[in-house]
Amino acid sequence: EVHLVESGGGLVQPGRSLRLSCAASGFTFDDSAMHWVRQTPGKGLEWVSGISWNSNSIGYADSVKGRFTISRDNAKNSLYLQMNSLRAEDTALYYCAKDIFLVSGSGSYYDDWGQGTLVTVSS
Amino acid sequence: DIQMTQSPSSLSASVGDRVTITCRPSQSISSFLNWYQQKPGKAPKLLIYAASSLQSGVPSRFSGSGSGTDFTLTISSLQPEDFATYYCQQSYSAPPYTFGQGTKLEIK
Repeated sequence: EVHLVESGGGLVQPGRSLRLSCAASGFTFDDSAMHWVRQTPGKGLEWVSGISWNSNSIGYADSVKGRFTISRDNAKNSLYLQMNSLRAEDTALYYCAKDIFLVSGSGSYYDDWGQGTLVTVSS
Repeated sequence: DIQMTQSPSSLSASVGDRVTITCRPSQSISSFLNWYQQKPGKAPKLLIYAASSLQSGVPSRFSGSGSGTDFTLTISSLQPEDFATYYCQQSYSAPPYTFGQGTKLEIK
């Protein structure tokens, strides 16, 4: 059974940094591209960032480009999101999600999700 | 970026009803459209991928159809466990892989 467990969320002041982690188990981690998707309290889903199996293909939403960095460590079956220069509008529940493909692209979909880690940006 | 518009935003229905939710992308996305279900306090769950393919383990009362700029998710006979929020997502173009704003399905 696939398990994705996010951690690292918390309360942080605007302008500060936070690093999220996602520990994966139950599947061959380096067989899948991975993503971060966030959900603002009471609102919808926003794709944040994605990374291919070998880290050669990476993408970001415009809203986080230049501030967030996605990475993965296949030896540790882990996905990360380094979030710098945090803003109030980054407050959200952050999910990691598993892509069915090695490299995300046309036809991708997310067949497993973690339970999320909450990030609150406030002074 | 491709914008995804779902309708309605909310819907009240009764157990046993047939329900249809629509998703319209701002440009043609062929059949690269996915549907997810989210219950309160839970992560999204994949229901349908590639517009009409049922994810393993999902009940057959769920179905998807459409292509291009017009897609539908249909629940043939609502069950109590189907009351949730439903999201469409396009995976046609390079990032961002945008989601619709969601349709909240409530009990009448």
